[in-house]
Amino acid sequence: DADVTQTPRNRITKTGKRIMLECSQTKGHDRMYWYRQDPGLGLQLIYYSFDVKDINKGEISDGYSVSRQAQAKFSLSLESAIPNQTALYFCATSDQSGSQQFFGPGTRLTVL
Amino acid sequence: RKEVEQDPGPFNVPEGATVAFNCTYSNSASQSFFWYRQDCRKEPKLLMSVYSSGNEDGRFTAQLNRASQYISLLIRDSKLSDSATYLCVVNGGRGSSGSARQLTFGSGTQLTVLP
Repeated sequence: DADVTQTPRNRITKTGKRIMLECSQTKGHDRMYWYRQDPGLGLQLIYYSFDVKDINKGEISDGYSVSRQAQAKFSLSLESAIPNQTALYFCATSDQSGSQQFFGPGTRLTVL
Repeated sequence: RKEVEQDPGPFNVPEGATVAFNCTYSNSASQSFFWYRQDCRKEPKLLMSVYSSGNEDGRFTAQLNRASQYISLLIRDSKLSDSATYLCVVNGGRGSSGSARQLTFGSGTQLTVLP
């Protein structure tokens, strides 16, 4: 079984809809991250969490919110989706050193 | 200026060729450096860390030049299976509060190895 899982894997939605992307991990890591990837722009950090009570904004947090329900679960919400949020979204985890990150398989989100 | 810059490519090379990728970073306080590999539509995975003295892992060699803020990856005897996007990744040291900064990813260099 994969160490980091994401659901759904693909989602098509309409402008204005609320969307939640979920991430679970079995690696026992404290740190979890949400990134989006757009062609030619690389990975951009949306939010990160060092533990259940520690959540921090990344470089592109506007329009997104997160919830760390447990050590193993970190969800990303788009309160009112817009077309420029169409992207590939990755969840990742790391231990406290923060050096190596382990990524989930990604969620491809399309906002029409 | 981007914090981590890479030549996007694409690099198209024949099997058996040697290919080199370069990367520059802007934060002189950066402490850790990595190369990740990302296959098409897949998640990034760690390829290798980059150490100050340079390091090798089979056909892959990574070099770091702190003075020039430059990182390189050399792939020898390229295989078809090396076709992927290679991401240069930098850990920006520690912030003012002492907590570790996050990883910053370059936008990647695309490699296609041709038969």
